[in-house]
Amino acid sequence: NAGVMQNPRHLVRRRGQEARLRCSPMKGHSHVYWYRQLPEEGLKFMVYLQKENIIDESGMPKERFSAEFPKEGPSILRIQQVVRGDSAAYFCASSPLTADSNTEAFFGQGTRLTVV
Amino acid sequence: AQKITQTQPGMFVQEKEAVTLDCTYDTSDPSYGLFWYKQPSSGEMIFLIYQGSYDQQNATEGRYSLNFQKARKSANLVISASQLGDSAMYFCAMRESQYNFNKFYFGSGTKLNVKP
Repeated sequence: NAGVMQNPRHLVRRRGQEARLRCSPMKGHSHVYWYRQLPEEGLKFMVYLQKENIIDESGMPKERFSAEFPKEGPSILRIQQVVRGDSAAYFCASSPLTADSNTEAFFGQGTRLTVV
Repeated sequence: AQKITQTQPGMFVQEKEAVTLDCTYDTSDPSYGLFWYKQPSSGEMIFLIYQGSYDQQNATEGRYSLNFQKARKSANLVISASQLGDSAMYFCAMRESQYNFNKFYFGSGTKLNVKP
């Protein structure tokens, strides 16, 4: 049973380019969460998605960032016109449909985005 | 107010000794879960231990135990018999059930160094 798969593991983009980060949740999981980790900091919630629905995007920057979780395929976090401040590790986590307060989130290994 | 507070940016412990990593939390939700994750230098997030708000006993998982003091809103992680492989960042997290159950709130982390 494969865990949460994120790719790429490392991504280098020049300022102004687009970054696309992919996340395939664990089999049977229908909830996906994206978190950002700046160097030497904890994880900050960005967005929570179910299949074809954005449930909570209160942590997403208002501009340049978008996320989707289509019916088929992985969840995508898209960052347009990247800037140096977007350099961070982006983690995806998934939970099963019946997630409750006692349900742990299973994390992918993260994508480390470097903007040069 | 911060949902999760970890006041120790860094800790040192001698190999084979026990160490306590502090975590306090803030919630008005009567039902919540508390989690500890380990992040080694390779970057992945590894789930360690869980404590539910209604659990009467402190959680234990091998060398990890959670000192849960509900009235003080603290959930400290105790690692017994430290090993060199325990050197990592440790994050405390909380998941609420009634409100914002979909989000994990993370602390800023504690960097643990185990000395030989």
